[in-house]
Amino acid sequence: DTEVTQTPKHLVMGMTNKKSLKCEQHMGHRAMYWYKQKAKKPPELMFVYSYEKLSINESVPSRFSPECPNSSLLNLHLHALQPEDSALYLCASSPVPMAGGPYEQYFGPGTRLTVT
Amino acid sequence: SQQGEEDPQALSIQEGENATMNCSYKTSINNLQWYRQNSGRGLVHLILIRSNEREKHSGRLRVTLDTSKKSSSLLITASRAADTASYFCATDPIIQGAQKLVFGQGTRLTINP
Repeated sequence: DTEVTQTPKHLVMGMTNKKSLKCEQHMGHRAMYWYKQKAKKPPELMFVYSYEKLSINESVPSRFSPECPNSSLLNLHLHALQPEDSALYLCASSPVPMAGGPYEQYFGPGTRLTVT
Repeated sequence: SQQGEEDPQALSIQEGENATMNCSYKTSINNLQWYRQNSGRGLVHLILIRSNEREKHSGRLRVTLDTSKKSSSLLITASRAADTASYFCATDPIIQGAQKLVFGQGTRLTINP
C-alpha cells in the first residue's frame, strides 16, 4: 500500500472554529510532513515529524498545531484561523533520510481549506 | 524562501512534441527531485537524481543535473494529453540535522491534442 490518505477532502470553517485535518499512511514511513500550498504556488513546508517527534517547525503560527499520535497518523489542529490561511494542505511521508541519502516523499491528495 | 526557480512558468505544446523545463537552485544539494501535480491534487514523484549524477532516464523522462551551474532540466518526450500538469523541482539543501524539500516555483505544462 503506497497510499497516503487525507481527510476531509474539503473543509470550510469560520475564524472562531476549531477543526482538525487527518493524514494516514501504512508504508512504515517514520517521517511525515505538512505542507501548505496556495493557488499556482509551490508547496511550502510547515512541519516535519521524525520518529513521531517534531523535528522541524518552519515558524508556523501557533494557530496551527501538529500532532503525531503514532507512526501512521499525523494530525493538524486548526484554531482561530484567518482567511489568508485558506489553501490546499498536503500531507506527505517518507523513510527517514540517512546521512544525506536520497528519499522520495509520498503525498496525499490534500485538504482544500476555506476560512470564512 | 524558495530555493528553486523554474523556467518557463508556463508551457503549451502540441501532443507528440517534446517539453523541456528548467530549474535553478541556490545552495549545495544532496539530490534533486522532480514531482508532477495534477490540478488541485497531491504531488507524484517522478524521478530523483543524485548530486554526483549528470543524467538519468525513466521512460519518457530525461533529467540532467549540472551542479556547477546549479541547474537541472526535465525533458518529456513524445508528450501526451495526460502529461498536462504542473511540474516542480525539489531540492534538499545540505542542512545539518534537517530533512526538508524546497520546491521550485513550478512549470504549468499544457499538452494540446
